[in-house]
Amino acid sequence: GQNIDQPTEMTATEGAIVQINCTYQTSGFNGLFWYQQHAGEAPTFLSYNVLDGLEEKGRFSSFLSRSKGYSYLLLKELQMKDSASYLCAVMDSNYQLIWGAGTKLIIKP
Amino acid sequence: IAGITQAPTSQILAAGRRMTLRCTQDMRHNAMYWYRQDLGLGLRLIHYSNTAGTTGKGEVPDGYSVSRANTDDFPLTLASAVPSQTSVYFCASSDGGAGELFFGEGSRLTVL
Repeated sequence: GQNIDQPTEMTATEGAIVQINCTYQTSGFNGLFWYQQHAGEAPTFLSYNVLDGLEEKGRFSSFLSRSKGYSYLLLKELQMKDSASYLCAVMDSNYQLIWGAGTKLIIKP
Repeated sequence: IAGITQAPTSQILAAGRRMTLRCTQDMRHNAMYWYRQDLGLGLRLIHYSNTAGTTGKGEVPDGYSVSRANTDDFPLTLASAVPSQTSVYFCASSDGGAGELFFGEGSRLTVL
């Protein structure tokens, strides 16, 4: 079966760096997405990786290793507004998205 | 403002009643999707449409139906609601292929 694993919850301190991991097993691979979802709101797109390596976008970076079925989202200079759930999703060979359950990130002052 | 509009934002419904969740987008996206989101679970695809006039079943289609009469609208119907359909429902759209999804604000449905 298809499976996406990510930690349920993480806690970090304002101003620090946090890495959220995602491992996956899917039928084919057409890219990996990270979305941010604040409580009670809709998910919003953060990043897309289809080739191995690191994609940097401001304070957020996303890494992919296709051979290891592994990705991480790196958040630098954490701000209180980064408190949210972070959803990892993989697009399979049929271009369907398989979603992880999300990682709830709690930022403490 | 361009985007996706869902209605209603919240609804309490008696079991056995019929309910239609509305979704409209103005981005001229070909693909549209309905997901449900439950605590502790990832987003689960209910139905999708790759283009107007076509629909397909997702991971959890039972008890739901959709139609796609035009590009903009993609309503989701619960023919006879059951308590297990209590959830938050998100409509989304994309250009298709590996394009990013744009989500509506969600419809919180409670079936009693």
